[in-house]
Amino acid sequence: TQLLEQSPQFLSIQEGENLTVYCNSSSVFSSLQWYRQEPGEGPVLLVTVVTGGEVKKLKRLTFQFGDARKDSSLHITAAQPGDTGLYLCAGAPRTGNQFYFGTGTSLTVIP
Amino acid sequence: KAGVTQTPRYLIKTRGQQVTLSCSPISGHRSVSWYQQTPGQGLQFLFEYFSETQRNKGNFPGRFSGRQFSNSRSEMNVSTLELGDSALYLCASSSLAGVGYEQFFGPGTRLTVL
Repeated sequence: TQLLEQSPQFLSIQEGENLTVYCNSSSVFSSLQWYRQEPGEGPVLLVTVVTGGEVKKLKRLTFQFGDARKDSSLHITAAQPGDTGLYLCAGAPRTGNQFYFGTGTSLTVIP
Repeated sequence: KAGVTQTPRYLIKTRGQQVTLSCSPISGHRSVSWYQQTPGQGLQFLFEYFSETQRNKGNFPGRFSGRQFSNSRSEMNVSTLELGDSALYLCASSSLAGVGYEQFFGPGTRLTVL
């Protein structure tokens, strides 16, 4: 059983389209992070959100932390081929001392 | 500043053997965490070391062990390898221990167990 469920699992879109990736849990998290991983490399941190309802923007990427701190979303505007990769959310539960990673969303942006 | 390095990058072993993987964190970082990544289970936390002490441990059998040296380099050992141990093993370093701090991941060691 995964603590963090991501949807969709796979996503293939055309360049220029918009997309949203969801990260859901029944647990409350003190913080949540989003990573992108490219083939042959380790995950790279994109953002950390810590406050319920928080919205952070990173160029064309918008991250939101749910009000109840149980879920998060990543929205990409006008996707580009360089956005291709595996997107992972990771949460730190309010009790506990480790990160739990989501199931991952594999994104392919077709030129 | 050099990133996290892991050696070897690829490894092929047979069932029953043991293996040792190495991780050199970013200079100045004292926390090293290890993760196992598989297509079925995703990224799962193995353990975290800080200043040569294991601080946290994930839900893995005792065949998985690790240690950290005084220079913060860390090794992970898997004994009596099973087919299901085939995975990408990632280490991540952080300047501070615990959750909430930015982790910098290495490229991983791809272990194949035959």
